[in-house]
Amino acid sequence: GQNIDQPTEMTATEGAIVQINCTYQTSGFNGLFWYQQHAGEAPTFLSYNVLDGLEEKGRFSSFLSRSKGYSYLLLKELQMKDSASYLCAVHSGGSYIPTFGRGTSLIVHP
Amino acid sequence: DSGVTQTPKHLITATGQRVTLRCSPRSGDLSVYWYQQSLDQGLQFLIQYYNGEERAKGNILERFSAQQFPDLHSELNLSSLELGDSALYFCASSVETDAYEQYFGPGTRLTVT
Repeated sequence: GQNIDQPTEMTATEGAIVQINCTYQTSGFNGLFWYQQHAGEAPTFLSYNVLDGLEEKGRFSSFLSRSKGYSYLLLKELQMKDSASYLCAVHSGGSYIPTFGRGTSLIVHP
Repeated sequence: DSGVTQTPKHLITATGQRVTLRCSPRSGDLSVYWYQQSLDQGLQFLIQYYNGEERAKGNILERFSAQQFPDLHSELNLSSLELGDSALYFCASSVETDAYEQYFGPGTRLTVT
């Protein structure tokens, strides 16, 4: 089976930087996703990491270490609209169906 | 707007009843996925169809079934509903069965009373 862990909730200040961690245990790792989900809305795709290292996309960056079973999502210059749940999900075992973590609820305050 | 549509947006029904949720994928997408999201379980994969055929099955109860029609829209049927079936049901679509990027619809919020 797969086990994906991420913090339940985080708070941060507008304009700051926040790092949301995700650890996973799985066999046959293929890739790791990050999705953003505002309350009551659909998840939207943020990133997909297959290889180790940091991938930057605007204010958001995602890092992966396959040997450590670890990823993080880095959000810079936080805005109020970044308040949302951030879901970590993993592809593994030859399946292209992602297994999702429980999500991290990020609260950005002024 | 992802291009994936789902109807209805909200559904309130009683225990023991049966409902049908509908999903239309993005234009050109052949693969449809159904997910259930409840407060205590997070986002759980239910089932995937590709070009009309079932391709993968997740934690889908026997009381639930789905199909994908020739025009590629999909329906998720939930029967003998229980209180615990109350959740957000999302449909997602992708171009191919092995495409990593899925586009999620707005969801159907099901409340079983």
